[in-house]
Amino acid sequence: GAGVSQSPSNKVTEKGKDVELRCDPISGHTALYWYRQSLGQGLEFLIYFQGNSAPDKSGLPSDRFSAERTGGSVSTLTIQRTQQEDSAVYLCASSLGGDSATQHFGDGTRLSIL
Amino acid sequence: GENVEQHPSTLSVQEGDSAVIKCTYSDSASNYFPWYKQELGKGPQLIIDIRSNVGEKKDQRIAVTLNKTAKHFSLHITETQPEDSAVYFCAAKRPNAGKSTFGDGTTLTVKP
Repeated sequence: GAGVSQSPSNKVTEKGKDVELRCDPISGHTALYWYRQSLGQGLEFLIYFQGNSAPDKSGLPSDRFSAERTGGSVSTLTIQRTQQEDSAVYLCASSLGGDSATQHFGDGTRLSIL
Repeated sequence: GENVEQHPSTLSVQEGDSAVIKCTYSDSASNYFPWYKQELGKGPQLIIDIRSNVGEKKDQRIAVTLNKTAKHFSLHITETQPEDSAVYFCAAKRPNAGKSTFGDGTTLTVKP
């Protein structure tokens, strides 16, 4: 069946531009997560959605980062005025929700800021 | 908040040998501990998980053990094969918390 889909798979942009990253979760999954993975590093939590609301956005590194989820499905992560330190792989995961629910990851968007 | 430490950061074994990766966590309330395998250019994939009411879980060549008192858990891979080569991440999650906290990963290389 269809897994978590992220687009674009790669994005190269100039410093100062805004970027939008998209995540299509597995159908029926109520929980959605965004993580950031810098080269050779672990996964840094950014934000968690349950339905359309975000009960935990504690990992967003600055007010340049925002995310929304509509219709309990697709989510968009927006980075405004990008900086070189924003370069990383941005991973999205979804789950059925609830404790101990398995997170299913997409293959990520590799973002490079020139 | 939760802190997860993972060791070693790199591990190289000969095909057929066993590999062990260890993680410690700080939050005694954490009750769910998944392990993920990440291949190059792909997202992490769950390979095994354990809940705090269980001490050990096995799935073919993979096993996970949990010591709640010491707050550490380990991944054991037996009879390693070259296709086991990847980055492995542990994670810990507390009840009613959306997010999981991940370790920094272990790069496992299995030499033929």
